[in-house]
Amino acid sequence: GAGVSQSPSNKVTEKGKDVELRCDPISGHTALYWYRQSLGQGLEFLIYFQGNSAPDKSGLPSDRFSAERTGGSVSTLTIQRTQQEDSAVYLCASSLVQFTEAFFGQGTRLTVV
Amino acid sequence: GQQLNQSPQSMFIQEGEDVSMNCTSSSIFNTWLWYKQDPGEGPVLLIALYKAGELTSNGRLTAQFGITRKDSFLNISASIPSDVGIYFCAGRGNAGGTSYGKLTFGQGTILTVHP
Repeated sequence: GAGVSQSPSNKVTEKGKDVELRCDPISGHTALYWYRQSLGQGLEFLIYFQGNSAPDKSGLPSDRFSAERTGGSVSTLTIQRTQQEDSAVYLCASSLVQFTEAFFGQGTRLTVV
Repeated sequence: GQQLNQSPQSMFIQEGEDVSMNCTSSSIFNTWLWYKQDPGEGPVLLIALYKAGELTSNGRLTAQFGITRKDSFLNISASIPSDVGIYFCAGRGNAGGTSYGKLTFGQGTILTVHP
């Protein structure tokens, strides 16, 4: 598709289980971001990938969170041993580094019960 | 690291009123972007600014890139109910290393418009 695609759109998981969230960026976009947003709140930066450079992981809240970007395209955000406080909308965005507009996906709503 | 302060945090206005919100940065930015997020959706780009002093309009929206390169504002004129949502500013500075090209977002302004 033409836009950023995230899957699943909704995920309900039991506390303690691992989850994987997927992001398909716009084709050719070298930069990819993950953000977390609690209900009615701002965007909490998690991780930033830029081309083949080492990612900026400074926003990951704990070592239960990790992300990969395979082949410079698709990215997977993994949350291990989920906790209730992990419940939020996880947003992915991509951009061409030399052009600064970032385009967002619809997000994945994660609910940990 | 780079930080953005966005204000106000929330606004409650009557339909037809004008709205103004702004962002300030602790460091110089080369680009400012303004986004709007509707409920249940991802943020959508409204306006992009690339030069200090630049003033850009998009319909009822007007945004400016501050001359100091450390601030930007967004104005909405003659607000309507569909303007409701969360507005975010974002900027890109001169950070290097793993933060090269990284966008930094403000905390958002929640706008409520009463008919």
